[in-house]
Amino acid sequence: QSVLTQPPSVSGAPGQRVTISCTGFSSNIGAGYAVHWYQQPPGTAPKLLIYDNSNRPSGVPDRFSGSKSGTSASLAITGLQADDEADYYCQCYDSSLSRYLFGSGTTVTVL
Amino acid sequence: QVQLQESGPGLVKPSETLSLTCTVSGGPISAYYWTWIRQPPGRGLEWIGYTSASGATDYNPSLNGRVTISIDTSKNQFSLKLTSVTTADTAVYYCATGSGTGYFTGWGQGNLVTVSS
Repeated sequence: QSVLTQPPSVSGAPGQRVTISCTGFSSNIGAGYAVHWYQQPPGTAPKLLIYDNSNRPSGVPDRFSGSKSGTSASLAITGLQADDEADYYCQCYDSSLSRYLFGSGTTVTVL
Repeated sequence: QVQLQESGPGLVKPSETLSLTCTVSGGPISAYYWTWIRQPPGRGLEWIGYTSASGATDYNPSLNGRVTISIDTSKNQFSLKLTSVTTADTAVYYCATGSGTGYFTGWGQGNLVTVSS
């Protein structure tokens, strides 16, 4: 059981906007630690998508955006495309557990 | 762009030690933090631990002291040893890198390790 909870799946039609939530606790997101997001297409390694809550690495389209508030964070994907189909994971440090945590993961399906 | 490649056996017997090596190319191993992360089949990601270029380490407490991560800067490699493995340690093992600020910018392609007799 993950300490960072994400919905198991979200779906949307091409061109639509979807959001993925990441709910934590006062020992991780709520403590002010930054949240990062990764995209993992089937059969491949994860790729950094968002770092420090809302920053995009070079090469990541601005269709992807991140935000954080209180003990939760969110990833938004606008203009959904077929190659956005993947698993998405949030990640944060937890001071109570003294380790880096990943969320439970969300599968995005493009209808 | 730093590139990482895991290598090591794909099958380990229960109670034995899992050993993997990650070879780094395209950048100085002295500049970053070097991490191991694993993913059991069909499941999520778990941080195992990291080493800095100077050899400072930090490990996931849930692994109960079974982990050692070491670095060999002369070979541009870092390694993972996980002792007393069980079937629960079956996973794809990824090596990854980051600047030490808590996120992982580069990943290897992964190495599936199955624990089975």
